Amino acid sequence: DAKTTQPPSMDCAEGRAANLPCNHSTISGNEYVYWYRQIHSQGPQYIIHGLKNNETNEMASLIITEDRKSSTLILPHATLRDTAVYYCIVRGYRDDKIIFGKGTRLHILP
Amino acid sequence: EPEVTQTPSHQVTQMGQEVILRCVPISNHLYFYWYRQILGQKVEFLVSFYNNEISEKSEIFDDQFSVERPDGSNFTLKIRSTKLEDSAMYFCASSGEGGQPQHFGDGTRLSIL
Repeated sequence: DAKTTQPPSMDCAEGRAANLPCNHSTISGNEYVYWYRQIHSQGPQYIIHGLKNNETNEMASLIITEDRKSSTLILPHATLRDTAVYYCIVRGYRDDKIIFGKGTRLHILP
Repeated sequence: EPEVTQTPSHQVTQMGQEVILRCVPISNHLYFYWYRQILGQKVEFLVSFYNNEISEKSEIFDDQFSVERPDGSNFTLKIRSTKLEDSAMYFCASSGEGGQPQHFGDGTRLSIL
């Protein structure tokens, strides 16, 4: 089973920042937090990952709490194309498989 | 940007027939994976492959399934004697080394009639 808890759905207005929360209270010291998204009928798309420091790339920012029990994915200026299911995944660096949960279905509203 | 490509995008097969799904991973990647997603359900891990052998497989990946890297570029999933419940999207993924992000193809939709 997935080691994370996410809200099943969220809405965000186009142009605003979308903040997607994730709880991972049982995360262990060598496990990373990964975020993927799946746009309808496409394969999962890697967004970002981190261990304990906040991370930023061209797609998003990842904020991990100091105790590492939760994190937030931030899409700074959401567009309609960001409508997707977003998956928060906890995974050891050497783990093979990704265990997907149900994710958060993000609706971007025009 | 390099990407994982999968063919065909849609495969329709009669129950009991064999089917081969094909994937071209990103060229310098070493780890290869297959996942499936039954309509309306979660993405499920099937198998991982490294150094020409299976490194991990799920309970779903029974004797009906096999994987192969027949040359330096392709990675295939074979399903023998397909069943109706094999109908799903099948995603191939690859990564540069263990723990690096996996990159997914856009999948093959397999429909068993």
